[in-house]
Amino acid sequence: ELKVEQNPLFLSMQEGKNYTIYCNYSTTSDRLYWYRQDPGKSLESLFVLLSNGAVKQEGRLMASLDTKARLSTLHITAAVHDLSATYFCAVDQETSGSRLTFGEGTQLTVNP
Amino acid sequence: DGGITQSPKYLFRKEGQNVTLSCEQNLNHDAMYWYRQDPGQGLRLIYYSQIVNDFQKGDIAEGYSVSREKKESFPLTVTSAQKNPTAFYLCASSMKPGARYNEQFFGPGTRLTVL
Repeated sequence: ELKVEQNPLFLSMQEGKNYTIYCNYSTTSDRLYWYRQDPGKSLESLFVLLSNGAVKQEGRLMASLDTKARLSTLHITAAVHDLSATYFCAVDQETSGSRLTFGEGTQLTVNP
Repeated sequence: DGGITQSPKYLFRKEGQNVTLSCEQNLNHDAMYWYRQDPGQGLRLIYYSQIVNDFQKGDIAEGYSVSREKKESFPLTVTSAQKNPTAFYLCASSMKPGARYNEQFFGPGTRLTVL
């Protein structure tokens, strides 16, 4: 059974600081997705990572994938308040058909 | 505009009632999904469908039922057998099972409250 673990689950940081969210998964996969959820809202797709070494960047967020280590990171650079949200990673295992397995989410709060 | 719509946005259910949540997509996606999210929690898969007239149970299917009579539509019924249905329900779709990747796109959600 595929397990996906994120850490930390809660992250409070100051504006202007850098931090990294980690997503570990338990079985082989080279397809990983990051989503953002604002309070009371739905999930918005952020990044699609499809191979070992893949790196994607959008604004102050950068995501990477290391399939050998079964690890993805979401790096936040010079955080701003607008980045406050919950971030989910999700792993796609080809043998599971079209299912994704989601991590528990990381609730990020950026304080002024 | 292409997208996924869910209705209603808010739904109140009395004890013992069945209610149906609507999910429609015009993205021409083959696969559709229903998730449940409880406050402060992640997503749990209820049912999913990879093709019309076929669907599979997810991790928490008990007390729920679905149908997939049209490619665009995947309604979810919350039956009276679901003892604690108060939650946020999210519908999603993705292009095609077996595609190179399986990015799922989400609807705006339905918030169900049991009175």
